[in-house]
Amino acid sequence: AQSVTQLDSQVPVFEEAPVELRCNYSSSVSVYLFWYVQYPNQGLQLLLKYLSGSTLVKGINGFEAEFNKSQTSFHLRKPSVHISDTAEYFCAVTFSNDYKLSFGAGTTVTVRA
Amino acid sequence: NAGVTQTPKFQVLKTGQSMTLQCAQDMNHNSMYWYRQDPGMGLRLIYYSASEGTTDKGEVPNGYNVSRLNKREFSLRLESAAPSQTSVYFCASRGGGAAEQYFGPGTRLTVT
Repeated sequence: AQSVTQLDSQVPVFEEAPVELRCNYSSSVSVYLFWYVQYPNQGLQLLLKYLSGSTLVKGINGFEAEFNKSQTSFHLRKPSVHISDTAEYFCAVTFSNDYKLSFGAGTTVTVRA
Repeated sequence: NAGVTQTPKFQVLKTGQSMTLQCAQDMNHNSMYWYRQDPGMGLRLIYYSASEGTTDKGEVPNGYNVSRLNKREFSLRLESAAPSQTSVYFCASRGGGAAEQYFGPGTRLTVT
């Protein structure tokens, strides 16, 4: 069974500093990878996805992620965060022929001035 | 284009009561999903419907039933609510040929 591990449950960061959120998955077959963001009291919004091709994917709001097949990782980065990036971030994985999502436990990012 | 809508937004039930959570999408998507979100556990799949007329169990189906009423609507029913079903419930949909799912705003359910 596939599983997703987000290595940090909480990440405090100062405004304009960089942030990296770590995600590892366990699967021996091809996967599709996603990062979703959840702002307080809202639903989930897709930040970016990796399906195939270039291992560096760019998403909305200045976020990017790198797929590393050998390390089974898909870490999310932003070079300079804003107060408005305060939210919970979820890494999710699906088999390429399945489309059912398995989610990590989430990482809460709190941006301080 | 409203995307995925869910009703109600909030609900409080007593143990043993029943209720149905409604979900509708206007994106002409074939697949629809129900998840529950609990602190520290991310989202877990309850049931899904790959296409109109089909439903399948996900990771945590016990205590729930679903109905795919038509292509637009996918409802989740709790026949006899238990405190362990206190959670935030999200509906999602996915179009054919695409991998990503689109989520509704959620229903916050409390069972006392």
